[in-house]
Amino acid sequence: EAAVTQSPRNKVTVTGGNVTLSCRQTNSHNYMYWYRQDTGHGLRLIHYSYGAGNLQIGDVPDGYKATRTTQEDFFLLLELASPSQTSLYFCASSEYNNQAPLFGEGTRLSVL
Amino acid sequence: GDSVTQTEGQVALSEEDFLTIHCNYSASGYPTLFWYVQYPGEGPQLLFRASRDKEKGSSRGFEATYDKGTTSFHLRKASVQESDSAVYYCALRNSGTYQRFGTGTKLQVVP
Repeated sequence: EAAVTQSPRNKVTVTGGNVTLSCRQTNSHNYMYWYRQDTGHGLRLIHYSYGAGNLQIGDVPDGYKATRTTQEDFFLLLELASPSQTSLYFCASSEYNNQAPLFGEGTRLSVL
Repeated sequence: GDSVTQTEGQVALSEEDFLTIHCNYSASGYPTLFWYVQYPGEGPQLLFRASRDKEKGSSRGFEATYDKGTTSFHLRKASVQESDSAVYYCALRNSGTYQRFGTGTKLQVVP
């Protein structure tokens, strides 16, 4: 069964802290995405990748790094977390860019 | 750039009411349009998509028709149920780019 698994599901950190959000997909999909979801803004794309070692920027990349280490694994890094990065983060995957992505269950991040 | 506008932030209905959630888009050419549904504690999931003018997408009693003339893709359902309570997102993807989502509409259906 197609799956996108995110960890951790919840994370609390302090301003200036270092955070890594993890995502693994077992769908053999080429594309992986990181979104943030905020009330009044909907879902906004941070970074995406079309394969191991590839990284593309989305609409709101500032303050975020990402790395795609394998076809299965995509990480989102916040090296100096700020309260404005408090949000619900979703990872998603799709085989091709023109397909609707399959979403994980989300990671809720609070930056105090 | 490409964008999607959902005018209703929240909609409250009673069971068996008719639902309309408005979605208008701004994009060049012929983008593919999508509707997603998100239940509490879950990620969004695809309801359906449409790629051509006048194409109707439908699923689970929901439907929307691609209208290039009015740049719209409004979501409709004839008779909502309490189980339809969720957040609904309109999205578009234009050739060579990635999906962009609207701001979402929270639907609450009371019995």
